[in-house]
Amino acid sequence: ETGVTQTPRHLVMGMTNKKSLKCEQHLGHNAMYWYKQSAKKPLELMFVYNFKEQTENNSVPSRFSPECPNSSHLFLHLHTLQPEDSALYLCASSQERTSSHEQYFGPGTRLTVT
Amino acid sequence: GQSLEQPSEVTAVEGAIVQINCTYQTSGFYGLSWYQQHDGGAPTFLSYNALDGLEETGRFSSFLSRSDSYGYLLLQELQMKDSASYFCAVRDQTGANNLFFGTGTRLTVIP
Repeated sequence: ETGVTQTPRHLVMGMTNKKSLKCEQHLGHNAMYWYKQSAKKPLELMFVYNFKEQTENNSVPSRFSPECPNSSHLFLHLHTLQPEDSALYLCASSQERTSSHEQYFGPGTRLTVT
Repeated sequence: GQSLEQPSEVTAVEGAIVQINCTYQTSGFYGLSWYQQHDGGAPTFLSYNALDGLEETGRFSSFLSRSDSYGYLLLQELQMKDSASYFCAVRDQTGANNLFFGTGTRLTVIP
C-alpha cells in the first residue's frame, strides 16, 4: 500500500464509450502524474499537475482529458478511444523539492479498448 | 528528446550479485532514479543519484557517472523475491520531478 489508490482496477470499454479513471493520494503531496504503460515500452509520462495546475502535457491526444480538482484527486477522462490505447494507466504523486524526488505509484487501471 | 537504454532481461542465481546498467541521452540532467515493479504491481522507488558515486541502501546500491551518462543498480545477496522489472528514470530540465523511464530490465532469480 503506497498511499495512492486508483479506481477502477480493470476497465473494458468500447471505442464510443466515455469513462473516467480516478486517482486519490493520501500522502499530502502537491504533485500528481498520469503515466501510460504498454507492453515492451517505457512508462510514458502523460500529464503532470503541480499545485493543481497542469504543467506538462506530453503531446497526448485530446481523447484523454485530465482533471485535478484538488491536490489529492486526479481524474483521467476517456472518450472515443482506440484499441492502441489499451494499456496500464498509472497514477503517481510526489512532494516537490525533496532530495530524493521519489514518486509514489498507485496500482494502476488495466484498460482494454474493444 | 530523451533516450535511456537498459538490457531487456537478466537472469541470476539466488545469493549472487547482479548489476543492471543504464545509459542515457538527455537534453538536460538532474538525476537518475531506479524503480522496481513486480508483475501486476506498482513501480516502487529504490534509489536516486544526483551526484557521481555510489549510494548504498541495504542490499541495493546505485551508481552514477555523469561524465559517462551511465549508471547502474547493484543487487547483492539476491533473493527469489527480487525477481521483478527494474526501471531507470531520468529527471531532465523540463520539470522539477518529471521522470522519463527506460524500457526496464526483467530480472529472473533462479534457485
